[in-house]
Amino acid sequence: NAGVTQTPKFRILKIGQSMTLQCAQDMNHNYMYWYRQDPGMGLKLIYYSVGAGITDKGEVPNGYNVSRSTTEDFPLRLELAAPSQTSVYFCASRAFVVRSGPSSGNTIYFGEGSWLTVV
Amino acid sequence: DQQVKQNSPSLSVQEGRISILNCDYTNSMFDYFLWYKKYPAEGPTFLISISSIKDKNEDGRFTVFLNKSAKHLSLHIVPSQPGDSAVYFCAARGSYNTDKLIFGTGTRLQVFP
Repeated sequence: NAGVTQTPKFRILKIGQSMTLQCAQDMNHNYMYWYRQDPGMGLKLIYYSVGAGITDKGEVPNGYNVSRSTTEDFPLRLELAAPSQTSVYFCASRAFVVRSGPSSGNTIYFGEGSWLTVV
Repeated sequence: DQQVKQNSPSLSVQEGRISILNCDYTNSMFDYFLWYKKYPAEGPTFLISISSIKDKNEDGRFTVFLNKSAKHLSLHIVPSQPGDSAVYFCAARGSYNTDKLIFGTGTRLQVFP
């Protein structure tokens, strides 16, 4: 299993450009997430999905869009890139687990990250 | 509003000694807590977790303690090794919404020889 795969690893964008960060997982996980990490800050949730066709906003969704047409893929779209979107982006996934106490199924698995700079 | 707080941005510990990383939370509805470890240029990886029905969970050199009344948890690493040098994130899940994890800001641990 490759786990969670993100592309590209690095990208420089000009202000106002658009791009899509790709994310794929091969673990048949229902849940997928996009986080961003700014220097000295924790991981902030941008969007998440609990299954194909279902997406929901996280803490910092403005300036981003997502889609979930398949279980495996969860792309993140940046429209009209702004310097404030310079960050490291992490895609993540986890399995669906019946909430009945501690379980490794609660664990979120992360991709390696995508470094995005907007200039 | 930072619901999960790691007030120490960095910690330096000598090899072989104990490392104690702390995490505080404000939401009493959190019922599951996790610790993640992150090396530079890599994604976070799961380390250890604890349910709110327990006060301690141990896995090898790593032990997590939960004090619900104080809304505080800590990660103990004994003995610390240079390979433990990384950023450690505390995360919490709410019983009202099990879909999401809320992360702290992280603590950078450096273990020196």
